[in-house]
Amino acid sequence: DAGITQSPRHKVTETGTPVTLRCHQTENHRYMYWYRQDPGHGLRLIHYSYGVKDTDKGEVSDGYSVSRSKTEDFLLTLESATSSQTSVYFCAISEQRTGRANEKLFFGSGTQLSVL
Amino acid sequence: GDSVTQMEGPVTLSEEAFLTINCTYTATGYPSLFWYVQYPGEGLQLLLKATKADDKGSNKGFEATYRKETTSFHLEKGSVQVSDSAVYFCALRGGGNKLTFGTGTQLKVEL
Repeated sequence: DAGITQSPRHKVTETGTPVTLRCHQTENHRYMYWYRQDPGHGLRLIHYSYGVKDTDKGEVSDGYSVSRSKTEDFLLTLESATSSQTSVYFCAISEQRTGRANEKLFFGSGTQLSVL
Repeated sequence: GDSVTQMEGPVTLSEEAFLTINCTYTATGYPSLFWYVQYPGEGLQLLLKATKADDKGSNKGFEATYRKETTSFHLEKGSVQVSDSAVYFCALRGGGNKLTFGTGTQLKVEL
């Protein structure tokens, strides 16, 4: 199994509070991703990173920010949580081979976030 | 933009039944296609993939053939087991370095 740890595994918070989710990898993979999983929508990409301090937006980035100060850590922050951000959040990693990333993603076990 | 359409679930089968989960896609160019599986309480795992037309991906008894003429990548297994109960996601990677996932199809296999 790929070494990916997400923390916390579960969190309940109130609307308007800031929340930070952490993804830690021990694989030294270049690419890291944050997805959210919701019924009827499958997985949707929030943000991704292609290296330290290099990040880009996914399809549902509004209300989220990310930071990657070290290869192994990718943080997802909800500046002011809303009920619509209640979801399961998955971190994923992939390595780059011959200039093509994303041939295989390894996923963490997920963080269940509830915003009340 | 890129998109993936999967059949809605849940799909409920008896053990040893034949499985088909339909997946069609829309993409420009020549995408790579994937099936991922999610077991309860876990993250997704790559099940199989195909990178060009007419390729067949296979793993653990599951198969899927990349059909460019019908833009499809249907997942099949000849004889399902209770342990195959999970959610299955079809996905594609187009020109960029991002995967686009379908909405997932839940499979329940009963004794």
